[in-house]
Amino acid sequence: EPEVTQTPSHQVTQMGQEVILRCVPISNHLYFYWYRQILGQKVEFLVSFYNNEISEKSEIFDDQFSVERPDGSNFTLKIRSTKLEDSAMYFCASSDQGKGAKNIQYFGAGTRLSVL
Amino acid sequence: AQKITQTQPGMFVQEKEAVTLDCTYDTSDQSYGLFWYKQPSSGEMIFLIYQGSYDEQNATEGRYSLNFQKARKSANLVISASQLGDSAMYFCAIFDRGSTLGRLYFGRGTQLTVWP
Repeated sequence: EPEVTQTPSHQVTQMGQEVILRCVPISNHLYFYWYRQILGQKVEFLVSFYNNEISEKSEIFDDQFSVERPDGSNFTLKIRSTKLEDSAMYFCASSDQGKGAKNIQYFGAGTRLSVL
Repeated sequence: AQKITQTQPGMFVQEKEAVTLDCTYDTSDQSYGLFWYKQPSSGEMIFLIYQGSYDEQNATEGRYSLNFQKARKSANLVISASQLGDSAMYFCAIFDRGSTLGRLYFGRGTQLTVWP
């Protein structure tokens, strides 16, 4: 069964360092998302991406964050200068349907980011 | 505004029994989607079931069914014949068609424990 793949599963970094979280969405999907979940809290939307452009971003997704689809398979989330409060589980999701359709978003296993 | 409310932080059920996890939602949209995801202790988010607001019948997927009561704005998940492997956190989410690509809003989750 096709799945969303995320690497690494766990990333430890020092405050102020840049991190790149990687995702390989399901191959025929065109809509991509990043969510995060701070430990013990609800899952929160960060950004949606389609046709090589950001479609929507939340208030969390500030200038420290960026997303990119560098090739036909990968989808990345970059945090330029990590802060302690960026420590969370980051989920990538993909869908083959956009707005107005049965948009089932399939999630990867997540990357746990620990900022020290 | 909170769009999804899950009032049960924890639920316990004996193996082979059925259990209902509650979810109420708030939206002004006429067209929306409701989802349930399972998050085991390993952390990944697993899609379980989807209900469209215009679907006339309650959604079912194997042992999972969704008790959709549109007038009450509730979308409870019913798990029949619980198994030990069902022990996990369960999240209800709503698909917001008001956003560009449909971000998901999640509830705080219900921790289900299945005991032998």
